[in-house]
Formats: sequence, C-alpha cells, structure tokens
Amino acid sequence: DGGITQSPKYLFRKEGQNVTLSCEQNLNHDAMYWYRQDPGQGLRLIYYSQIVNDFQKGDIAEGYSVSREKKESFPLTVTSAQKNPTAFYLCASRTSGSIDTQYFGPGTRLTVL
Amino acid sequence: SQQGEEDPQALSIQEGENATMNCSYKTSINNLQWYRQNSGRGLVHLILIRSNEREKHSGRLRVTLDTSKKSSSLLITASRAADTASYFCATAGNTGKLIFGQGTTLQVKP
Repeated sequence: DGGITQSPKYLFRKEGQNVTLSCEQNLNHDAMYWYRQDPGQGLRLIYYSQIVNDFQKGDIAEGYSVSREKKESFPLTVTSAQKNPTAFYLCASRTSGSIDTQYFGPGTRLTVL
Repeated sequence: SQQGEEDPQALSIQEGENATMNCSYKTSINNLQWYRQNSGRGLVHLILIRSNEREKHSGRLRVTLDTSKKSSSLLITASRAADTASYFCATAGNTGKLIFGQGTTLQVKP
C-alpha cells in the first residue's frame, strides 16, 4: 500500500459519538485525500489538502472535518452530524507536479452501532 | 460527483480469457487512470493514459482512449484467478482531484 498507513483497520462507533481516523504517509507527498466508499460503489471525495495548513471540501464534506498540521498526517473526524457514517474510508496521497497518480492506504471500515 | 460510468458492472470469465471493461466520462480531461481494488483493500494504480495518447500497454494490460467519444477501455489479456478484483477508471482535470467511476467487478474462474 505504498507508504501510507491508516488506523485502525476496523472501527465501531456508537451513534452520537465523534471518531477520528488516522492517515499517515512517508512518501513526502504534498497532497492528501479522503474518500468514502459504500458497498458496490465508487469513491466519493470528502476532503483534500494540497499543502500543509490548507484543505478544501470535496463532494460530500458535510458531517466530516479534517486538519493538516503536518505534511505526513491528514486525520479525518467523522462527527455526530454525519447521518450515515457506516462506510469504508480510504486515504490517498499524491506528489506535486503534473502526474496525478494517487497512492492509497489500506482503508478503515467504520461501523456505527 | 461521479463522472465515470463503467460497463459492465460485473464480469465473469474463465482463466485464460480476455477481459474488457469500458469507461465513459463527461468533461474534458488531462489524463485517465485505471485502478484495481482487491476486496476490502485500498486501490492500486495500474496505468495512466494522457489525453493526447490513444493507446498504452503495460504487461497484460492495454488501455485505449477516445477523447472524441469521451471513453476508454481496459483490456486484460490471458486473465488469471489473481486478476479477480474491482477495476475503477478515474479522470483527472486541472483541479488536482480524481473523479472515479462506479467500477467493474471482475471474477476470473480457475
């Protein structure tokens, strides 16, 4: 999975609780991304960051928050405002420049009980 | 927003046969990429084709791109059981973001 780690692999949350998913990369990549994947579906972009201390909303940012205080780390918080958070969450990174290839972590499966 | 539409949604073939997956998109692109995802895992980049290229090869993979029809195809030749996975196309514009299709699930029977 190319130098990107996500933890934990499985996460269970009670309704009404916030939970933070970890994403760390040692590839020295500038850009990082968070995607959500529902069963049998493609990836939908939640948030992305092209540089430290800056990030932008993706297509489905409501109920999520992120921070980018370090180049290596891009944690995602799933808040209680996210009405249907059960999904597979994927983090990716990309080097700057003209090539858009993204490198993905192994994913975190979040289940709300 | 989902730009790519992939066809078929599911494909089942015998080992040794070829597998062809198609992807259509809506807006102009800089490049189109194909990724593979094994069940419950992250995505792995397979191949990238730029908007000014028409065909590209990598091992048993052959990708074509027709920008006039806004479509691409991925051909896997001489398939193996290990090729069983979901395959996604993703388009890249000028935003630094990728837009993924819904994916094709390929099953290769031994």
